[in-house]
Amino acid sequence: DARVTQTPRHKVTEMGQEVTMRCQPILGHNTVFWYRQTMMQGLELLAYFRNRAPLDDSGMPKDRFSAEMPDATLATLKIQPSEPRDSAVYFCASGYLLAGEGEEETQYFGPGTRLLVL
Amino acid sequence: AQSVTQPDIHITVSEGASLELRCNYSYGATPYLFWYVQSPGQGLQLLLKYFSGDTLVQGIKGFEAEFKRSQSSFNLRKPSVHWSDAAEYFCAVPYNQGGKLIFGQGTELSVKP
Repeated sequence: DARVTQTPRHKVTEMGQEVTMRCQPILGHNTVFWYRQTMMQGLELLAYFRNRAPLDDSGMPKDRFSAEMPDATLATLKIQPSEPRDSAVYFCASGYLLAGEGEEETQYFGPGTRLLVL
Repeated sequence: AQSVTQPDIHITVSEGASLELRCNYSYGATPYLFWYVQSPGQGLQLLLKYFSGDTLVQGIKGFEAEFKRSQSSFNLRKPSVHWSDAAEYFCAVPYNQGGKLIFGQGTELSVKP
């Protein structure tokens, strides 16, 4: 049963500290998404990659957030420095876009990283 | 611009009763439409999706949804709700081509015995 995995599942840190969240997409998927979920804003897309290349990171605060895909099996989302307003659940999702089949693939979500910044 | 509206923030139904969750969308072309479910403390799980063809789509866990172009709606239904269906349900539509989804604000479903 292929699943998206995320680590850590929970993270408590102090303001100003660096936070790194990791995601392992489903093997063979070529698209990776990072979302943030809060009560106030709901689900927000932060960034996404296709074939490891960043396609859109317009939803991400560039001054403190960065997203990378060092290889096809690992995506990272980093916050430096972290702030209390970053407290949220961060989801990674992956999908497979089949060329010629249209531009909408199904996204499969990981269990999320629950981040609390004190 | 593309958008998704879920008019009901919270719905309570009795176990065994039927369920309909509303979703209205705004999209320029023929939309792709998705329903996801999120159980407490979990990630989102795809219930069903509409890409084209038959406007009545069957999903997992006994859910179905009907695409109605004239009403710009994609309502989720289940004939008999189980206590385990208590969760939050999200409707989603692509932002543009290319994978970005816009999610509705979600509808929280409570099931009473």
